[in-house]
Amino acid sequence: SAVISQKPSRDICQRGTSLTIQCQVDSQVTMMFWYRQQPGQSLTLIATANQGSEATYESGFVIDKFPISRPNLTFSTLTVSNMSPEDSSIYLCSAPLGMDTEAFFGQGTRLTVV
Amino acid sequence: GESVGLHLPTLSVQEGDNSIINCAYSNSASDYFIWYKQESGKGPQFIIDIRSNMDKRQGQRVTVLLNKTVKHLSLQIAATQPGDSAVYFCAENTGGTSYGKLTFGQGTILTVHP
Repeated sequence: SAVISQKPSRDICQRGTSLTIQCQVDSQVTMMFWYRQQPGQSLTLIATANQGSEATYESGFVIDKFPISRPNLTFSTLTVSNMSPEDSSIYLCSAPLGMDTEAFFGQGTRLTVV
Repeated sequence: GESVGLHLPTLSVQEGDNSIINCAYSNSASDYFIWYKQESGKGPQFIIDIRSNMDKRQGQRVTVLLNKTVKHLSLQIAATQPGDSAVYFCAENTGGTSYGKLTFGQGTILTVHP
């Protein structure tokens, strides 16, 4: 199976700052997704990262807070902007590796905002 | 490492027992369902999937049952081992033909005692 790598794996950030998380897939994929997993919770979809166009955000998530880039078919970034302690979560990227196949996940980025 | 499942339902079993983890899903139009296993500090790992035209699918030591009438999924793990201890999530594909856009269930913490 392909590998999905995220950087950084964890970070501790000051409130008011921004963090950009990188996601690299070792094969070209059509769709990439970003999820948030708050402490003790399940995963919630933030947005679909579309290659060559603006990301599609789910209800409750906005581009100003979570800008996303998708410059090519193997790479995406998620920025968490103007962070507050409520943004402390695990952020995960995922991608299905083919048509009609399950989505694979990166190992996640554990963000703590102080 | 830290557990992401601190506030989730729990299931404790003895090694060698069979485990059954249940999940209710929300969208009657969903046509593809996946079970993921998440170990501490890692991203979700695919276990088994099932499409809506089936009601049962078996893998190695795992079986997924789908009851579309009551929108219910279950994951059965045979001869549970300590290495099966993790958080288990069901997910339904809500992206239609765009696989990977998932809505996750709340998750269950499985603890296997030697």
